[in-house]
Amino acid sequence: KAGVTQTPRYLIKTRGQQVTLSCSPISGHRSVSWYQQTPGQGLQFLFEYFSETQRNKGNFPGRFSGRQFSNSRSEMNVSTLELGDSALYLCASSLVAGAPTGELFFGEGSRLTVL
Amino acid sequence: AQSVTQLDSHVSVSEGTPVLLRCNYSSSYSPSLFWYVQHPNKGLQLLLKYTSAATLVKGINGFEAEFKKSETSFHLTKPSAHMSDAAEYFCVAYNNNDMRFGAGTRLTVKP
Repeated sequence: KAGVTQTPRYLIKTRGQQVTLSCSPISGHRSVSWYQQTPGQGLQFLFEYFSETQRNKGNFPGRFSGRQFSNSRSEMNVSTLELGDSALYLCASSLVAGAPTGELFFGEGSRLTVL
Repeated sequence: AQSVTQLDSHVSVSEGTPVLLRCNYSSSYSPSLFWYVQHPNKGLQLLLKYTSAATLVKGINGFEAEFKKSETSFHLTKPSAHMSDAAEYFCVAYNNNDMRFGAGTRLTVKP
């Protein structure tokens, strides 16, 4: 069974640009959640989608958005990039919503560098 | 609001000796608690979880953790460290749609 796939793995952008990251969950998983990992702030929850609906959202500005498609694949978008958005963005999938009631399966992340 | 505190940012042990990674949580309610491990350039992998069943939880790779409500702790232990255990470990609390990660503990295993 294929794991969670995140693309691209690495990318470099400049301030003011926007970026879209993609996450393909494990087959059969309907919940996808996103996390930001930085040396300063650690791991922070961004949002969770289940059956194409945003179920939960962390404390991030509106520049961070996401969506989920009918095949459960998810994308997150960051607009008007700032230097502080440089981070490893992790995606996780699970069978059910309210993910920690079940196990989260993480991808290897997309490392974004903003110059 | 709940919070998770990992008491050590870095722990170094010798191969074959016990491992103790400490985690304290703060929550108005009894949260679900988890330990995840992250190897370099990899995503997180679930080691074990506590969801109000048995207070002593056994996980993968010989790890276990004990939930102590009176101490609001959920420390991770392993009797004998292996070189392959070297990684970053995260304690996570979840309650009422609120998910909080600890800052992480980097475990170094010396030969």
